[in-house]
Amino acid sequence: ETGVTQTPRHLVMGMTNKKSLKCEQHLGHNAMYWYKQSAKKPLELMFVYNFKEQTENNSVPSRFSPECPNSSHLFLHLHTLQPEDSALYLCASSQVSLAGGPDEQYFGPGTRLTVT
Amino acid sequence: SQKIEQNSEALNIQEGKTATLTCNYTNYSPAYLQWYRQDPGRGPVFLLLIRENEKEKRKERLKVTFDTTLKQSLFHITASQPADSATYLCALSSASKIIFGSGTRLSIRP
Repeated sequence: ETGVTQTPRHLVMGMTNKKSLKCEQHLGHNAMYWYKQSAKKPLELMFVYNFKEQTENNSVPSRFSPECPNSSHLFLHLHTLQPEDSALYLCASSQVSLAGGPDEQYFGPGTRLTVT
Repeated sequence: SQKIEQNSEALNIQEGKTATLTCNYTNYSPAYLQWYRQDPGRGPVFLLLIRENEKEKRKERLKVTFDTTLKQSLFHITASQPADSATYLCALSSASKIIFGSGTRLSIRP
């Protein structure tokens, strides 16, 4: 295992539901990430947290809301999603140096989300 | 806009041969280039990182080259085995940004 856990592994939700994805890293890293992976598309970086501060939000719709209460935990709150939001949602962590540039990313197993 | 291309969506080779995967990029000056392996239903797993001032990196049967003039990285797996079958992703990173290619699905036939 990579030291990054995600729950749940599978989630089916209706468009009117509210749910949350959880990620926890046990590696002592200082940065955490949410990615979306759809079929036949590259990994899309959604959010970045460095030292618990959100540093990147790549034009993600407001129906996705991240939360990083501490450097080990990351949540993705979901509400009023659309069927096209169905995808594999991956969490990752890394140790970012002050010199710049994220070093290797450690990914969790992902949450397979289906919106009906 | 920044763009990464992994020029083969799929690659099939015979066991024992060397697999070579290509990653090209445009409109970007990355500080690092990384390669990951992803198996079906799992998250990517980090394999190798090479910095902009490095030409080549090796790890066991893996070798990565990085040519910032050509804006290209080559990823080699020597003495390939069926267990090497997976999707391989390249990623470019600098500062707080990282972008991934769409991957090459490698199949090694016995």
